Amino acid sequence: AQKITQTQPGMFVQEKEAVTLDCTYDTSDPSYGLFWYKQPSSGEMIFLIYQGSYDQQNATEGRYSLNFQKARKSANLVISASQLGDSAMYFCAMRETTGNQFYFGTGTSLTVIP
Amino acid sequence: GAGVSQSPRYKVAKRGQDVALRCDPISGHVSLFWYQQALGQGPEFLTYFQNEAQLDKSGLPSDRFFAERPEGSVSTLKIQRTQQEDSAVYLCASSSLAGFYNEQFFGPGTRLTVL
Repeated sequence: AQKITQTQPGMFVQEKEAVTLDCTYDTSDPSYGLFWYKQPSSGEMIFLIYQGSYDQQNATEGRYSLNFQKARKSANLVISASQLGDSAMYFCAMRETTGNQFYFGTGTSLTVIP
Repeated sequence: GAGVSQSPRYKVAKRGQDVALRCDPISGHVSLFWYQQALGQGPEFLTYFQNEAQLDKSGLPSDRFFAERPEGSVSTLKIQRTQQEDSAVYLCASSSLAGFYNEQFFGPGTRLTVL
């Protein structure tokens, strides 16, 4: 089974609007971390936001927030007030305490329309 | 430099050739990861170092792949007898501590094309 599932291959959003990128995960580890990364066309992965499995509140970082629903095993990324520079691939990732590796999803390509 | 650097940025190899990909992590970073990213896919874990110790190599796809970090800083990923299926972007990432919650800082990657 896939550890991380991103079901939206591509998304479009109007500039200045908000957009939600979906991510569901699969783990039996009670302690884990969830991460979102942005990958522009230049190829470098840029860390956006982190959510720990025991965090009581949803993580926020500027225009990024994470809608964490533990019972549903979902960790959706919300980008508010979209900007043209937000156009990129977005990857959801998870790290479990039982291992060293990060598991990445297949990504969502976001295009911001002027 | 301030970030993770990788060299070369692009590598073209003929099938059967050996290649070596270099990663310079952020100075002082304990943890170092290698990933393989095929076209249109997310990164796939290859191996993990904590200082000079290779603690996890479960993601290396075959014994043609070998990684080292002899002095706990620079790391090299070597692929022997390259095959076409090795064509991918190879990403290196480092983090400051061995702790679970520490974010990884990624390099720009090396795009390997095997003809």
